[in-house]
Amino acid sequence: DAGITQSPRYKITETGRQVTLMCHQTWSHSYMFWYRQDLGHGLRLIYYSAAADITDKGEVPDGYVVSRSKTENFPLTLESATRSQTSVYFCASSENRGRTYEQYFGPGTRLTVT
Amino acid sequence: AQSVSQHNHHVILSEAASLELGCNYSYGGTVNLFWYVQYPGQHLQLLLKYFSGDPLVKGIKGFEAEFIKSKFSFNLRKPSVQWSDTAEYFCAVITGGTSYGKLTFGQGTILTVHP
Repeated sequence: DAGITQSPRYKITETGRQVTLMCHQTWSHSYMFWYRQDLGHGLRLIYYSAAADITDKGEVPDGYVVSRSKTENFPLTLESATRSQTSVYFCASSENRGRTYEQYFGPGTRLTVT
Repeated sequence: AQSVSQHNHHVILSEAASLELGCNYSYGGTVNLFWYVQYPGQHLQLLLKYFSGDPLVKGIKGFEAEFIKSKFSFNLRKPSVQWSDTAEYFCAVITGGTSYGKLTFGQGTILTVHP
């Protein structure tokens, strides 16, 4: 049972480059989420998706793009990376049936923008 | 918009000490509350959750939390901590009326337990 996986686990990129973080879940959960974790801010929601082809902005969406053509994948793209996007990125998924709302998190991607 | 406050940024305890981590949220309606734990180098794991019913909920590894609606609080407790409890703890809330289950997290509390 693979659960939820993220790749790459570590990434160093330069300012202005485009970078895509991958997220894959094997549970067929309908909901998926991207968070960034920064010291003193906890986790902040970037984007979320209720189903394939349905996405919406979270608290801090600027500079990010998402897509969800398949239920199991939810890639996050930084179109032109900036140093302020240096962070740890977590993907999560949730079934959201019966109002359980429990989210399951991936192992995270540590992104450094130089 | 709802918000979650965790008042302690860093708590340092010795093994066998009792633990209480504060969590307050700002939302007047129905809430679902969670505590997540992140061990060093690992992803977030659910410790416990409250949806309804008994306001005292028990989670894994001997943790419990009490929902006090009048105080908008959901404090995490453990009577006797262990070195292995060293981690960062996050309180989170989902407010009623949303169909997307969006979690709002607190800033996190780092717990360091000395042997």
